[in-house]
Amino acid sequence: KAGVTQTPRYLIKTRGQQVTLSCSPISGHRSVSWYQQTPGQGLQFLFEYFSETQRNKGNFPGRFSGRQFSNSRSEMNVSTLELGDSALYLCASSLAWDRGPNEQFFGPGTRLTVL
Amino acid sequence: DAKTTQPPSMDCAEGRAANLPCNHSTISGNEYVYWYRQIHSQGPQYIIHGLKNNETNEMASLIITEDRKSSTLILPHATLRDTAVYYCIVSVYGQNFVFGPGTRLSVLP
Repeated sequence: KAGVTQTPRYLIKTRGQQVTLSCSPISGHRSVSWYQQTPGQGLQFLFEYFSETQRNKGNFPGRFSGRQFSNSRSEMNVSTLELGDSALYLCASSLAWDRGPNEQFFGPGTRLTVL
Repeated sequence: DAKTTQPPSMDCAEGRAANLPCNHSTISGNEYVYWYRQIHSQGPQYIIHGLKNNETNEMASLIITEDRKSSTLILPHATLRDTAVYYCIVSVYGQNFVFGPGTRLSVLP
């Protein structure tokens, strides 16, 4: 079974631009979560999508948004990029089994550099 | 804030068991203990999870104290490839994780 895939793997943008990152979950997984990882703040939860709806959201400004498509693929968008948005963006998918614990499977991440 | 505390770093000799502790004294009754690891700049990798019983899989063993306030991840025969940052997380459904800084395990030859 193929794992979580993320595209692109590396991206360089300049301040003020916007960026869209893509995530394809493991087949059959209905939940997709996004995380940001920086040296200073570590791994932080951005948001989670389930059945095309944002179900949970972390403490990030509105410049960070996302969506999920009917095939469970997800995109996240960052508008008006700031230098501090330089980070590794990780996507994770899970079955979202409501009656018990789930295992999240992470993709390799997209390394975003903002100049 | 993360509900777990872990030592920032540990060393282990190759071939020996690595025992990584985690404190989660405020864990709720329905929260599971999850362990993930992250090898340099890769996505975190699932290791194991448990509620109150000890668990074992092909990668590791998880020992949870009877009061559930702490746990230990055991890698029985550590190899150089086990060098990574190990994260202990508590979660009800295994989603929307709040990560702490984890433990940086260095396996030494």
